[in-house]
Amino acid sequence: TQLLEQSPQFLSIQEGENLTVYCNSSSVFSSLQWYRQEPGEGPVLLVTVVTGGEVKKLKRLTFQFGDARKDSSLHITAAQPGDTGLYLCAGEANNAGKSTFGDGTTLTVKP
Amino acid sequence: DTGVSQDPRHKITKRGQNVTFRCDPISEHNRLYWYRQTLGQGPEFLTYFQNEAQLEKSRLLSDRFSAERPKGSFSTLEIQRTEQGDSAMYLCASSPPPGPLRLWPYEQYFGPGTRLTVT
Repeated sequence: TQLLEQSPQFLSIQEGENLTVYCNSSSVFSSLQWYRQEPGEGPVLLVTVVTGGEVKKLKRLTFQFGDARKDSSLHITAAQPGDTGLYLCAGEANNAGKSTFGDGTTLTVKP
Repeated sequence: DTGVSQDPRHKITKRGQNVTFRCDPISEHNRLYWYRQTLGQGPEFLTYFQNEAQLEKSRLLSDRFSAERPKGSFSTLEIQRTEQGDSAMYLCASSPPPGPLRLWPYEQYFGPGTRLTVT
């Protein structure tokens, strides 16, 4: 069973601050996705990373896949209240076509 | 709206009743997934289809749960003899076939979910 551990579980910051959340596993993943979920809604796909060491940027969000493809990080620059939500990482192993999710980081950005 | 749709959005039922949920994937997406999510946790894989074939079913899925995708388009998830522990958000996702230059990944696009409450 591939497990993904996300940290921190909760994060509360002020608008304008920077933050990083982490997604770690002892397993190797062929790809890893990051999602953002709002209460009562389904997760929304933000990015997919597939190559060890890969870095992708989406406006103020920077995603990195670890060299060994076992971990990933999400960095948000100058956080805004609209960034508030649950950030989930999900890994796909061995091209299985299904994903294992972490339990997420709940981010609150206060104005 | 061409996203994944789920119906109903909310369902309240009494213990012991049967419930059925429907998922309509994004057009031409050949894979369809069902997940369950409880408060404070990430989505938990239940089962997935490629076209009409059910390729994998989680061991967590008891015999009371059954899913179908008869024509490779929409899917239904039925829970028989519901229990209070079945209360959760049931999420459906679909993914397109991989691109010509890459065999993977299958990026999943989620619907809004069906919130089930068993009283």
